[in-house]
Amino acid sequence: DQQVKQNSPSLSVQEGRISILNCDYTNSMFDYFLWYKKYPAEGPTFLISISSIKDKNEDGRFTVFLNKSAKHLSLHIVPSQPGDSAVYFCAASADSNYQLIWGAGTKLIIKP
Amino acid sequence: NAGVTQTPKFRVLKTGQSMTLLCAQDMNHEYMYWYRQDPGMGLRLIHYSVGEGTTAKGEVPDGYNVSRLKKQNFLLGLESAAPSQTSVYFCASSTGGTSGRWNIQYFGAGTRLSVL
Repeated sequence: DQQVKQNSPSLSVQEGRISILNCDYTNSMFDYFLWYKKYPAEGPTFLISISSIKDKNEDGRFTVFLNKSAKHLSLHIVPSQPGDSAVYFCAASADSNYQLIWGAGTKLIIKP
Repeated sequence: NAGVTQTPKFRVLKTGQSMTLLCAQDMNHEYMYWYRQDPGMGLRLIHYSVGEGTTAKGEVPDGYNVSRLKKQNFLLGLESAAPSQTSVYFCASSTGGTSGRWNIQYFGAGTRLSVL
């Protein structure tokens, strides 16, 4: 039973355009969500997070949107750059539980 | 600024052999985790530790053991390796606490293990 789903295994976007990565979850107890980025042969690195008390969090070119009623979050990257080509993981946690539940990842390819 | 260091980076084992993966962190983090990542799947938690001398089972603990004798080290052991344990293993650490905002995890570069 996948509690965190990233339904797009891969996404190809033109350099300079917007990249939108999606994540759905099923557990209504999740109250904190994180996005990680992973390059080949490296470990995941933290990118941006959002608490369930917010619906948007911005950090430079990266914005995460949370729609609690739809149990859906998305990561927007504007503008997309070649260095953004990586696998992006969505993860979620519930208060009082320090474990993260991970999606399967979306491979983002930025085309020049 | 080493962060989280995993050794070895690569290893090939024969079925039935044993090995230990070492994870070391220099951030004074309380919590440490071992994950495995398989193709098409997210990271799955094997075991974790919420402090020196403590360990607990995660989602997929069977076939693995762990120890946290020192705060900065977290060891993952395979007593009798099986082909199903072929995977990429990641160690992570975090400051700890039960609220999500304290649970940003920092990862090592991974160990790629093949069991033949």
